[in-house]
Amino acid sequence: KNQVEQSPQSLIILEGKNCTLQCNYTVSPFSNLRWYKQDTGRGPVSLTIMTFSENTKSNGRYTATLDADTKQSSLHITASQLSDSASYICVVRLTQGGSEKLVFGKGMKLTVNP
Amino acid sequence: DGGITQSPKYLFRKEGQNVTLSCEQNLNHDAMYWYRQDPGQGLRLIYYSQIVNDFQKGDIAEGYSVSREKKESFPLTVTSAQKNPTAFYLCASCMLAGRGSDEQFFGPGTRLTVL
Repeated sequence: KNQVEQSPQSLIILEGKNCTLQCNYTVSPFSNLRWYKQDTGRGPVSLTIMTFSENTKSNGRYTATLDADTKQSSLHITASQLSDSASYICVVRLTQGGSEKLVFGKGMKLTVNP
Repeated sequence: DGGITQSPKYLFRKEGQNVTLSCEQNLNHDAMYWYRQDPGQGLRLIYYSQIVNDFQKGDIAEGYSVSREKKESFPLTVTSAQKNPTAFYLCASCMLAGRGSDEQFFGPGTRLTVL
């Protein structure tokens, strides 16, 4: 069954600290993996995209990694800011029979406190 | 100012009523999608459309209907047949595969509450 599991479900950290969010997937055949950031009451916004051949990709203070062998991805946030408080969603795209499908994780809620 | 818009932001409905959620995009995207988001669950696909006048059911289409008369617009109707319609509804759009980035751009969402 195609699934995307995220951990932890929620996390509270102090401003300025680093944190790492995890994503494990069983999606096959894998096409790519995206991390989205969703502010409360808003639509998700893409942070990074990882393809099969990519191990690491950075977008400012956000760094995503992908291990296609273990089917794991992580999103590392450096020097957290209050504006990082949001839900983070891991989304895996699979391509099957000429069609494409997105499998969404449940998201994890990050709270950054002053 | 390019983007994808949804209206209204908040919507209240009495039981037994149909309501229509609006979604418009000026990104010249071919494909449009409707998702439902509930607390503690991942986004679930309701309907999608890859071309005007054509659309496909997603994973949870029962109780919903859509139309795609224009490339820019993809309204969603929540019918009285939908047993538990209270949720946050997200519209998204993207280019078709092979025609550019496959990133789905999301609208700001509509929160529907059934009274």
